[in-house]
Amino acid sequence: QIQLVQSGPELKKPGESVKISCKASGYTFTNYGMYWVKQAPGQGLQYMGWINTETGKPTYADDFKGRFVFFLETSASTAYLQINNLKNEDMATYFCARRRPGSPFDYWGQGVMVTVSS
Amino acid sequence: DIQMTQSPSTLPASLGERVTINCRASRGISNNLNWYQQKPDGTIKRLIYYTSNLQSGVPSRFSGSGSGTDYSLTISSLEPEDLAMYYCQQYASSPYTFGAGTKLELK
Repeated sequence: QIQLVQSGPELKKPGESVKISCKASGYTFTNYGMYWVKQAPGQGLQYMGWINTETGKPTYADDFKGRFVFFLETSASTAYLQINNLKNEDMATYFCARRRPGSPFDYWGQGVMVTVSS
Repeated sequence: DIQMTQSPSTLPASLGERVTINCRASRGISNNLNWYQQKPDGTIKRLIYYTSNLQSGVPSRFSGSGSGTDYSLTISSLEPEDLAMYYCQQYASSPYTFGAGTKLELK
């Protein structure tokens, strides 16, 4: 069955980096773009951008340009989100979701909680 | 960017009641709208895609409608397992923005 399984919770200090994974199974990885969504504690969902799983080209929403990096390990059907120079406001749950035309955001990962604390 | 205004933010309702959640886009989105349910454990599930198409496995008491800038999600008869957060999302134009969410709770 189709699954997006994300890595476990992270506890980091300000200024550190974190790498979150999203492993896809049950479908052809390169047939769907992989999207990332942020949810701060008690808040709604915020679109971060996506990575083209065929070409590896990332596209970032304006609020996520600079410290945020999307990349792939296609051989392992895995997408990654790396956040550099962590700030307190990065403390959130991060979700991955897949999309292609005609099948938008039909499956989501379970989310990864990132805690940033000194 | 397209702004999605979702209402109400909180919806107290009784079991068996018919409930409706609304989303208004800042400009037309040509039916490119999904509805999601987020349970207290954080998991997100797509309920409706392209305005009115029911996701496989989702109970038929859920339905979606709308056009242009105005869209709605209706639950025909509220069940206990429906108490959750609900979000709309437009995917007509990037960034694919979300509504602020509706918390469906017991009256």
